[in-house]
Amino acid sequence: DAGITQSPRHKVTETGTPVTLRCHQTENHRYMYWYRQDPGHGLRLIHYSYGVKDTDKGEVSDGYSVSRSKTEDFLLTLESATSSQTSVYFCAISEEGRRGGETQYFGPGTRLLVL
Amino acid sequence: GQQVMQIPQYQHVQEGEDFTTYCNSSTTLSNIQWYKQRPGGHPVFLIQLVKSGEVKKQKRLTFQFGEAKKNSSLHITATQTTDVGTYFCAGQGYDYKLSFGAGTTVTVRA
Repeated sequence: DAGITQSPRHKVTETGTPVTLRCHQTENHRYMYWYRQDPGHGLRLIHYSYGVKDTDKGEVSDGYSVSRSKTEDFLLTLESATSSQTSVYFCAISEEGRRGGETQYFGPGTRLLVL
Repeated sequence: GQQVMQIPQYQHVQEGEDFTTYCNSSTTLSNIQWYKQRPGGHPVFLIQLVKSGEVKKQKRLTFQFGEAKKNSSLHITATQTTDVGTYFCAGQGYDYKLSFGAGTTVTVRA
């Protein structure tokens, strides 16, 4: 498995509170991604990064923000958590990025429950 | 961007039998990738297909990319309990956007 860790692995929070999820990689890959996984929807891209301080929105970015201050770390923040953001969140990394075929390697996931 | 559909959503298979799962895109793809996710685990890359009509094999798994590069299939022969999980296809369009299908969840009856 690629050197990707996510923290926390499980989180229970209340509606309206801010939540930050962390993804850490040891592969020195340029591209990093945040997905959410929900039954019947597969994996949906929230945000991605193509370098330090370079990020862009995915298909379901509303209510989420990201930051990447170091190559190895990509943070996902839910500014004010809602119950609809209850999901499993996966971080992924890619060496080639979009123009290179973009094979992705996933972290172990974070299970988030918003009450 | 492209829409990627997978069928069936669920596949219940008797151990030893074969089955096929299908992936269809609304637009022509640059390449297609397949991932497997074990229950409680994370998606793991299996293979990438790039050429029209390409066929690749990994032991009992056969992956095929359609001639029009809009569909793909995964065929598993002699299903084993280790094949349990969800199989995702992910199609990359020429706009470089990668779209995942909803997955086929496979269960195996011993």
